Amino acid sequence: NAGVTQTPKFQVLKTGQSMTLQCAQDMNHEYMSWYRQDPGMGLRLIHYSVGAGITDQGEVPNGYNVSRSTTEDFPLRLLSAAPSQTSVYFCASSYGLVDGEQFFGPGTRLTVL
Amino acid sequence: DAKTTQPNSMESNEEEPVHLPCNHSTISGTDYIHWYRQLPSQGPEYVIHGLTSNVNNRMASLAIAEDRKSSTLILHRATLRDAAVYYCILRPFGNEKLTFGTGTRLTIIP
Repeated sequence: NAGVTQTPKFQVLKTGQSMTLQCAQDMNHEYMSWYRQDPGMGLRLIHYSVGAGITDQGEVPNGYNVSRSTTEDFPLRLLSAAPSQTSVYFCASSYGLVDGEQFFGPGTRLTVL
Repeated sequence: DAKTTQPNSMESNEEEPVHLPCNHSTISGTDYIHWYRQLPSQGPEYVIHGLTSNVNNRMASLAIAEDRKSSTLILHRATLRDAAVYYCILRPFGNEKLTFGTGTRLTIIP
């Protein structure tokens, strides 16, 4: 299994540009989520999904959109990038068990100029 | 959500045991105690979790106080590869969301 994969690894955007961060998992996990991590901080939840067709907001959803058309993929869209969105973005997935572990991807480092 | 308190940083010698503390005085009866760690430039990885009883796995042990208001992650023999930020997280029953604090940065001294 490849686990949780994220693309791209690095991205530089100009203010106002849009882009999509890709996340895929091959473990048939129902639950997927996106976090952002700013320097020296812990991770903060942006959006999550408990299954295909179901998404919900996390702690910091503003400026981001998600959709979940398949179990495997959970893309994160930045509608109009802002410097405040400069961060490292992590995708995670799990079976959705009551106390199961979550698997994290390697991250995407995004810089918005 | 109940919060956790961890020291900002700790140091330990290589091949020595490491005890990483976590206080969670407002824990509720259905909160699971999870530990994740984040190696430099990587995503977090699961270490261990428990509810009431002490737990062991191949990576670590988790000691949970009888009143559940604190817990300790134990690395039995630290290696340089264990240098990471360790996060203690309370996860409510049935809730997949993880709320990360700033964790404890563990430095291993060769």
